[in-house]
Amino acid sequence: RKEVEQDPGPFNVPEGATVAFNCTYSNSASQSFFWYRQDCRKEPKLLMSVYSSGNEDGRFTAQLNRASQYISLLIRDSKLSDSATYLCVVNRGYGGATNKLIFGTGTLLAVQP
Amino acid sequence: DAGVIQSPRHEVTEMGQEVTLRCKPISGHNSLFWYRQTMMRGLELLIYFNNNVPIDDSGMPEDRFSAKMPNASFSTLKIQPSEPRDSAVYFCASSFSSSGSPLNQPQHFGDGTRLSIL
Repeated sequence: RKEVEQDPGPFNVPEGATVAFNCTYSNSASQSFFWYRQDCRKEPKLLMSVYSSGNEDGRFTAQLNRASQYISLLIRDSKLSDSATYLCVVNRGYGGATNKLIFGTGTLLAVQP
Repeated sequence: DAGVIQSPRHEVTEMGQEVTLRCKPISGHNSLFWYRQTMMRGLELLIYFNNNVPIDDSGMPEDRFSAKMPNASFSTLKIQPSEPRDSAVYFCASSFSSSGSPLNQPQHFGDGTRLSIL
């Protein structure tokens, strides 16, 4: 079983739709969580961090359920420019100064006009 | 501010040749990471350094791969000899990690090196 699992998609949605991505992680000692976005043939870029209380950034809402080891990303009013691969990322730090990100394989979103 | 700088952007070479990928992290960052991305396996961590010291190289596929970080502003990933199955996009990323902080900063990625071994 992979340490971070995502539905690979693709998710094909019309403009304006609301879409949700889910992710599960297996290491209960994981300390911090992120969603990254990767456009075709580009590098991954941080979309947002995920906090225990849930957090929102414009049309994007991220939630974390530590008990279920589950992370979600909700995109409202989707735009054509949201089309990308969304990577669920878990920081399995060993404490101290170490910092190791474990990436899911990504969920492909295609927003249709 | 300059981001993570990788070179070359593209590399095409014949199998058996030595390949050297280069990375300059963001100034002030103290952690550096080498990743490999393929369609089949996604993004895989190969090795990472903290304060120029290799912390975890368990992701390095085999002895043909080696990485060095001689100073805080430069790292190399070397493949010798290269094989067709090494073809992938290789990303370097950097971040700042403060000791004792459980919520570490996210990583910043370079543009990647697209490597094709013929």
